[in-house]
Amino acid sequence: KQEVTQIPAALSVPEGENLVLNCSFTDSAIYNLQWFRQDPGKGLTSLLLIQSSQREQTSGRLNASLDKSSGRSTLYIAASQPGDSATYLCAVRGGSEKLVFGKGTKLTVNP
Amino acid sequence: EAQVTQNPRYLITVTGKKLTVTCSQNMNHEYMSWYRQDPGLGLRQIYYSMNVEVTDKGDVPEGYKVSRKEKRNFPLILESPSPNQTSLYFCASSLRQGPSQAFFGQGTRLTVV
Repeated sequence: KQEVTQIPAALSVPEGENLVLNCSFTDSAIYNLQWFRQDPGKGLTSLLLIQSSQREQTSGRLNASLDKSSGRSTLYIAASQPGDSATYLCAVRGGSEKLVFGKGTKLTVNP
Repeated sequence: EAQVTQNPRYLITVTGKKLTVTCSQNMNHEYMSWYRQDPGLGLRQIYYSMNVEVTDKGDVPEGYKVSRKEKRNFPLILESPSPNQTSLYFCASSLRQGPSQAFFGQGTRLTVV
């Protein structure tokens, strides 16, 4: 059974800092991995999608990497801003088509 | 615009009163699913559908029903809601092929009193 773990559960950083969020998964037989952002009580906003054959994806200040063999992904946020404060979720999609989510990392960027 | 639409966004109801949360997608996706999100438990899959008339249980199906009569719609039915079904619900859709991005609705905040 696929399990997804996100570390740390919460992170507080000063504005302008570069930071890394971690995601690990137990079964490397995945189709893809998706990073989402969720604001309190709101929906999920897809940030980046990495296919199993890819090593990384970039969008603006965000860069996500995938090491399928070791079961790890990282989300790198450059020059963090208060508007980046949210919960970040990673989810993997495997053979059952189901997305399995981690419990998220709650990020607070302090002005 | 590609989107998944859920209704209602917010709902307060009483125990035992049947309700339906609708979900519709405009991307011709085969795969649709429902998740619930609870503090400390994360997002868990309730039911999913591979295509029209094909549905199956996810991880937490008790107390829920679904139907898939049309490709675009996948309603979630709570025939006798209970307080432990108070949660934030999300509908999602994607193509059936594995390497496909999942699209999520905006969520439905359900409170059962």
